Amino acid sequence: AQTVTQSQPEMSVQEAETVTLSCTYDTSESDYYLFWYKQPPSRQMILVIRQEAYKQQNATENRFSVNFQKAAKSFSLKISDSQLGDAAMYFCAYLGGSQGNLIFGKGTKLSVKP
Amino acid sequence: DTAVSQTPKYLVTQMGNDKSIKCEQNLGHDTMYWYKQDSKKFLKIMFSYNNKELIINETVPNRFSPKSPDKAHLNLHINSLELGDSAVYFCASSQRSVGKTQYFGPGTRLLVL
Repeated sequence: AQTVTQSQPEMSVQEAETVTLSCTYDTSESDYYLFWYKQPPSRQMILVIRQEAYKQQNATENRFSVNFQKAAKSFSLKISDSQLGDAAMYFCAYLGGSQGNLIFGKGTKLSVKP
Repeated sequence: DTAVSQTPKYLVTQMGNDKSIKCEQNLGHDTMYWYKQDSKKFLKIMFSYNNKELIINETVPNRFSPKSPDKAHLNLHINSLELGDSAVYFCASSQRSVGKTQYFGPGTRLLVL
């Protein structure tokens, strides 16, 4: 069975600095997708970024980028120029090519200090 | 113009009651999901429907019964509510053939007293 591990329950970053959130996963599939979702205190689940496993190029979305290492099964999220509004729970999620449901990690709570 | 909506957003009820949570999506997606987020923030799939047909049914008590009247709606009915059912329930939708990104509703916080 596929698993997703987020080893950092909490992280803290200074405003305007850069922070990296870690995620590793375990799978025997070759075709899959990886996601980072953000959950602010409002509890809305917001898609931050997605990566298709067949793409070697790392996905980027403005200040958010990933470091996707397929062989190492690692999918970290880098947030540049951190803003107060980035404070939230961040969930890493896996979606297999043959599955319909997302498998989530336990989340990392990110605090941003002014 | 909300993409995925859920009602109600908050639900407080007594043990033993029956309650329903409604979900609607206007994205034209063919697949809808229910996820449960427990008190430790862990998210887990409960059900998934594709074109009104149940395709995923995780180990969920049969007190939980999903109903999909059409592709745009997936409702969750819960019978004989228990204290352990207290959680946040998220509805999500996606288009299975394209992209596979799942978009989430705002969540329904259920508190069973």
